[in-house]
Order: sequence, then C-alpha cells, then structure tokens
Amino acid sequence: DIQMTQSPSTLSASVGDRVTITCRASQGISSWLAWYQQKPGKAPKLLISKASSLENGVPSSFSGRGSGTEFTLTISSLQPDDIATYYCQQSYSFPLTFGGGTKVEIK
Amino acid sequence: QVQLVESGGGVVQPGGSLRLSCSASGFSFSTSGMHWVRQAPGKGLEWVAVIRSDEGHKSYLDSVKGRFFVSRDNSKNTVFLEMTSLRAADSAVYYCAKDRGDSLEYWGLGILVTVSS
Repeated sequence: DIQMTQSPSTLSASVGDRVTITCRASQGISSWLAWYQQKPGKAPKLLISKASSLENGVPSSFSGRGSGTEFTLTISSLQPDDIATYYCQQSYSFPLTFGGGTKVEIK
Repeated sequence: QVQLVESGGGVVQPGGSLRLSCSASGFSFSTSGMHWVRQAPGKGLEWVAVIRSDEGHKSYLDSVKGRFFVSRDNSKNTVFLEMTSLRAADSAVYYCAKDRGDSLEYWGLGILVTVSS
C-alpha cells in the first residue's frame, strides 16, 4: 500500500499569511494526487486534482504543485473561511490512501 | 446538481450486520464508479471500497475484505455497502463518493455507524 504523509499536522497562521502543506508519498505516484478541504461536521470537498488542477469554483488563492513523491498545497493569503482540515489522497493504485490531515487554524 | 444521500446507518452490536445505501442524482450514475470512505470520530479519512460502473471491478480495504460487500442497482441510481461481522473499529461516519478516475469528485453528507454493545 502507498503511504501518504502530511505535514504539519496542525498549522496556526494569521489572516493574510501564505501557508503551505506538504504531502509525501511512500512511492512515486506521478501526478495522481488530489487535495480535499473538510470543515467541521461537513463532508470533504475536492479542491485540486492531478496535483495542480484547480476545481471549478475554488478560489485562486489555492494552488497545488508537485509530482512523483512530493506535493504541496499552498494558500496564498489565508482567510477565515479557509479554516478547515486538509487531506491529500493518492489515486495511483488501490487501496486509495489519504494523508493524516492538516488542521489549519487562525492565530 | 449532484446529490448523494446515504441512509441505513445506526447502532449495531459487535458481530452484527448493516446495509448502507447511497442514492444518487444529478449525474450519469450508470457510467460512474462509486466509492465508500469512512471517518472514525475525531480521525482522518479512510477509503473502504469501490465499485466500477458495470460492477466489473470491485476493490476493498484489507481490513474489511470478506466482511463488507459493495454492490449497485443502476436502475435505481443506488450503491450499497453490506457490512457484516461488524467490529467496534468499524464505527465511523460513512460517506459515498463519485469517482472521477483522478479523484473523488462529489461526496454525500455521510451516515453514522456505531458498533457497540
């Protein structure tokens, strides 16, 4: 199974800050990586697919980069509405696997 | 708009069984793969199972193989998860999600399953 490791597990930043979350795969997954946002009590929402392709309606402040084993999700200017837990997920092979999540808080 | 609505959750004793349903609308269900993903209280997301559009391919998380069975009824736009020999570790919110090949494109609201005596 492919292990997905996210860091940090918790991130505290100020409104307007640039924040970056890292996701590492235990083996190469090309660009088969997605990012999801989950707010408390809600279902996850797809933000980015294929490592860097922003979904329709997702603010351009979100961006994804990477290929192979190392990936990043960046929020260029943190807003109060971005408070959530973010998960990466590989779709290179079954079983699909998720990172452990990064909880983003406002400082 | 796409809607996925799970049902069938509840409280069940260890060793018991439960059948979850996910009713879909707003997209071509018969040509879409469907996943089940779970989230234990306060924990992260864990993929459980997938079924392709024609039921030709199914895949499961190792810890549920032989206990959980995924199926679908394309005439009713519904996907099912039959869960047997349930354990406390299976307690979670269960989500169904639409497959897009590169991601899980849309998610249901989730349904809570609690395994407890």
